[in-house]
Amino acid sequence: DTGVSQNPRHKITKRGQNVTFRCDPISEHNRLYWYRQTLGQGPEFLTYFQNEAQLEKSRLLSDRFSAERPKGSFSTLEIQRTEQGDSAMYLCASSSMTAEAFFGQGTRLTVV
Amino acid sequence: GQQVMQIPQYQHVQEGEDFTTYCNSSTTLSNIQWYKQRPGGHPVFLIQLVKSGEVKKQKRLTFQFGEAKKNSSLHITATQTTDVGTYFCAVTSGTYKYIFGTGTRLKVLA
Repeated sequence: DTGVSQNPRHKITKRGQNVTFRCDPISEHNRLYWYRQTLGQGPEFLTYFQNEAQLEKSRLLSDRFSAERPKGSFSTLEIQRTEQGDSAMYLCASSSMTAEAFFGQGTRLTVV
Repeated sequence: GQQVMQIPQYQHVQEGEDFTTYCNSSTTLSNIQWYKQRPGGHPVFLIQLVKSGEVKKQKRLTFQFGEAKKNSSLHITATQTTDVGTYFCAVTSGTYKYIFGTGTRLKVLA
């Protein structure tokens, strides 16, 4: 395991469908983050896990979004009833307690 | 909530010219990080600054943390085409959440 892995890399879905993304962090990292990035913008914080506990969820995240990290290892981000405004790059990052964040290559979501 | 502003938003330079981006916060920061994102890529960590007035260098890149720990700068000497990308500063909010700046997109003209 040499880095953060995200699947799928690309997802095209029809409006109203549900989608789920997976993130496999660096194995020894206990912190896991989800960010969303749209064109020309910086990564926007969505949610954060320390081990299996979800410690913060952004107010930007509607109730259509849910994230889990069941065993403190991989994480999933689900978007229900997708909308065109959900189209973005979804980035996962992991870190240890005091270090920098390591990002995955992201999942690009297109809602048509 | 915590916000960080970066200027400029865009910068086009001729190869060999210098480049500087600035990151500003309204509150005192505990630390600041810099990331680079190549076109089509993901953010990659460059450096973390912690101490007031700290200056760190990585080859042609010089990073500085302000004395009041409210601002930071990244300076690239003699830009190369490989420097193309967007440079973000990031600060931690509380003890864990990284808040990213608006970014400065650098284009280098050969």
